[in-house]
Amino acid sequence: QKEVEQDPGPLSVPEGAIVSLNCTYSNSAFQYFMWYRQYSRKGPELLMYTYSSGNKEDGRFTAQVDKSSKYISLFIRDSQPSDSATYLCAMNGDTGRRALTFGSGTRLQVQP
Amino acid sequence: EPEVTQTPSHQVTQMGQEVILRCVPISNHLYFYWYRQILGQKVEFLVSFYNNEISEKSEIFDDQFSVERPDGSNFTLKIRSTKLEDSAMYFCASSETMDRESPGELFFGEGSRLTVL
Repeated sequence: QKEVEQDPGPLSVPEGAIVSLNCTYSNSAFQYFMWYRQYSRKGPELLMYTYSSGNKEDGRFTAQVDKSSKYISLFIRDSQPSDSATYLCAMNGDTGRRALTFGSGTRLQVQP
Repeated sequence: EPEVTQTPSHQVTQMGQEVILRCVPISNHLYFYWYRQILGQKVEFLVSFYNNEISEKSEIFDDQFSVERPDGSNFTLKIRSTKLEDSAMYFCASSETMDRESPGELFFGEGSRLTVL
């Protein structure tokens, strides 16, 4: 079983749609959960992070973590064509290790 | 806005040659990282660097790899004898802290694409 699994997509939605992106993981030591956005030929850019379980909202973006199910989600409301990118989940543990374990990324295309 | 800069943007080399990838982290950041992304695959951690020494490295970061902070601004990744499978995008990243408040707030550069022939 892969440590972090993420549906690669591509996911195509119309402008204004609500987008749901998800990752599952197997390592119960993971405590910090992040979502990065990566535009083509660019480096990953941090969107949101959460610690342990719960929800976090930032503008049109909401991150959810369910540690009991080892499942994390990113919701994008009122999606825009500029949201078209690859979305990477990433996580690490609470043991002092700083290395992030990334998912493979989901490619999102928002159609105008 | 401060950013991490990487050079070169693309390097083509012959198998067995040495390659040095360069990075200028954000100036007040203390932690530095190299990640790589083979085409079509996930971003993978290579090494982290703090206080002029390696703080953590992955299994990928074997004896062929080394990192250095030769001066107050540059952070380099050297691959001593490149192999075909080293072809990838190499990302440098830096962070100000690594505490509970912002454990994953890494700022990535745009990457250096390495092609080994």
